[in-house]
Amino acid sequence: QVQLVESGGGLVKPGGSLRLSCAASGFTFNDYYMTWIRQAPGKGLEWVSYISSSGGTRDYADSVKGRFTISRDNAKNSLYLQMNSLRAEDTAVYYCAREREGGRFDYWGQGALVTVSS
Amino acid sequence: QSVLTQPPSASGTPGQRVTISCSGSSSNIGSNNVNWYQQLPGTAPKLLIYSNNQRPSGVPDRFSGSKSGTSASLAISGLQSEDEADYYCAAWDDSLNGPHYVFGTGTKVTVL
Repeated sequence: QVQLVESGGGLVKPGGSLRLSCAASGFTFNDYYMTWIRQAPGKGLEWVSYISSSGGTRDYADSVKGRFTISRDNAKNSLYLQMNSLRAEDTAVYYCAREREGGRFDYWGQGALVTVSS
Repeated sequence: QSVLTQPPSASGTPGQRVTISCSGSSSNIGSNNVNWYQQLPGTAPKLLIYSNNQRPSGVPDRFSGSKSGTSASLAISGLQSEDEADYYCAAWDDSLNGPHYVFGTGTKVTVL
């Protein structure tokens, strides 16, 4: 069965860095685009970034562009999100999700909490 | 901030029909498919409807979706207690900065 498991969340000071990982299993990872989506406490969903199946195409929300970098290692069935220059407003649960055609995210991980606070 | 607008809340008694609207523009709903997600309390979102009106395997047929112009809607027929959750519409937005994915503001459904 398809599984996505995030790790790497935690407490970090403003201006700091953190790297999230998403381990995928149960499907052919290198066939799918992957996405990061976040949800601030008590708030709605916000798309963060996507990466193509080969890793050659990536895009970011304006709110994280220039600070976050999405990457993947198809040999390790893993997705990453490097987050630099973190701000308080980046505090959220970060979900990785598998993307299908039409922009539908058919499988989600359980989420990783990132807290940015001094 | 979200470019897809939903009512903050909706409610109904068991067995009733509840409808949630999602208003967008020509750059998102008007030109791309709409997907709907259900988020039960304390859990990750789940794909509920894709490509405007398609249900993934396992989603009960009491959930249905539709789209007209720059708006979409989700209907829940025969409301059940386990349908109490947050619901989000979503679509690609063909903005000038490049395509970005946008979610709706979310609607909390309460079963009275």
